[in-house]
Amino acid sequence: EPEVTQTPSHQVTQMGQEVILRCVPISNHLYFYWYRQILGQKVEFLVSFYNNEISEKSEIFDDQFSVERPDGSNFTLKIRSTKLEDSAMYFCASGEEAGGPYEQYFGPGTRLTVT
Amino acid sequence: AQSVTQLGSHVSVSEGALVLLRCNYSSSVPPYLFWYVQYPNQGLQLLLKYTSAATLVKGINGFEAEFKKSETSFHLTKPSAHMSDAAEYFCAVSEVGGTSYGKLTFGQGTILTVHP
Repeated sequence: EPEVTQTPSHQVTQMGQEVILRCVPISNHLYFYWYRQILGQKVEFLVSFYNNEISEKSEIFDDQFSVERPDGSNFTLKIRSTKLEDSAMYFCASGEEAGGPYEQYFGPGTRLTVT
Repeated sequence: AQSVTQLGSHVSVSEGALVLLRCNYSSSVPPYLFWYVQYPNQGLQLLLKYTSAATLVKGINGFEAEFKKSETSFHLTKPSAHMSDAAEYFCAVSEVGGTSYGKLTFGQGTILTVHP
């Protein structure tokens, strides 16, 4: 069964460093998403990506964040200069249906720890 | 704006007992509603979804949920709990149409514990 994969499973970085989180969505999917979950808090939407551009983003997704689909298979989230409060589990998701209901398949997550 | 409230951050049941996990939503437009399950150290797995067809939705592993518009609820039930159901469950809402591309808004999650 096709699945969304994410690498690395755990990333430790120092404050101020850049990190890139990688995701391989399911191959025929059209919609791509990043969410995050700070320990003990809700899963929060960061950004959606469709047709090679950002379709929607949350107020969390500021200029420090960017997304890219560099080669038609990978989908990356870059954090330019990490802060302590960026420590969280980051989930990638992908979905296939045009026009909804945008059923989303999630990857296992990358745990980002900023020290 | 859409929001989700899950009543009860922890629910504990005995094996074989009824499971009821509560979810109430708020949405300014007709919603799509989802339940996801997360097992330890794994991603979110879709249990079931409501997409404006039948109000009683059946999902995987014997779970079902009923959409009640008048109560703005989408509670998750299973008639008989199994030890393997122990996990964290998330209710989520997404809005239909407009400029939304399926952004999910999640509840805070309910941890289900099943006792032998």
